[in-house]
Amino acid sequence: GENVEQHPSTLSVQEGDSAVIKCTYSDSASNYFPWYKQELGKGPQLIIDIRSNVGEKKDQRIAVTLNKTAKHFSLHITETQPEDSAVYFCAASMGQPGGSEKLVFGKGTKLTVNP
Amino acid sequence: DARVTQTPRHKVTEMGQEVTMRCQPILGHNTVFWYRQTMMQGLELLAYFRNRAPLDDSGMPKDRFSAEMPDATLATLKIQPSEPRDSAVYFCASGWANNAQVNSYNEQFFGPGTRLTVL
Repeated sequence: GENVEQHPSTLSVQEGDSAVIKCTYSDSASNYFPWYKQELGKGPQLIIDIRSNVGEKKDQRIAVTLNKTAKHFSLHITETQPEDSAVYFCAASMGQPGGSEKLVFGKGTKLTVNP
Repeated sequence: DARVTQTPRHKVTEMGQEVTMRCQPILGHNTVFWYRQTMMQGLELLAYFRNRAPLDDSGMPKDRFSAEMPDATLATLKIQPSEPRDSAVYFCASGWANNAQVNSYNEQFFGPGTRLTVL
């Protein structure tokens, strides 16, 4: 089955700096890669996602890149703010078009943004 | 606003007792997932349903865990008997799947979770 590795497990940055979290996946059939943010005491919340037919996607201060050949994808957060502090999870899915399919998650990265 | 609800939010129980966790998916969603989160294993899928039918429960220990959807507005996860190693946060998530829709990958919306402690 699919296996998702995520690095680093913890990341501390100064406010205003950039943060990068990297994930690799094992199954070349995976075609959908969401990123979730989990704040303390809450459920994960989708922040951005990318499909395998796209190499990069941006949404304001966050961006995700995907390298299908190398089977890795990354989350980039620019101009970090203290409210970005949370645990971030990458995931992979062999989703069907139109589907909401099961996700395999990485182990998470605890991001701390220091004021 | 629409959100997934889970009850109870916290549960402390003794080993051997039955535990039932409930989830109300977002109205109109036809896919429901149960995940378990622990420090060691992270987020693991236990089971998921589409249109109330189980699609995959391979992540669930069958001897003690069971998941059902009595109706479209309620999903349940039951552990009987519970063991200390079941202590975790259990999340329910819901989403919409329309197999007739091309090139659309639909978000899973997570509930706030049930924190289970088995003593």
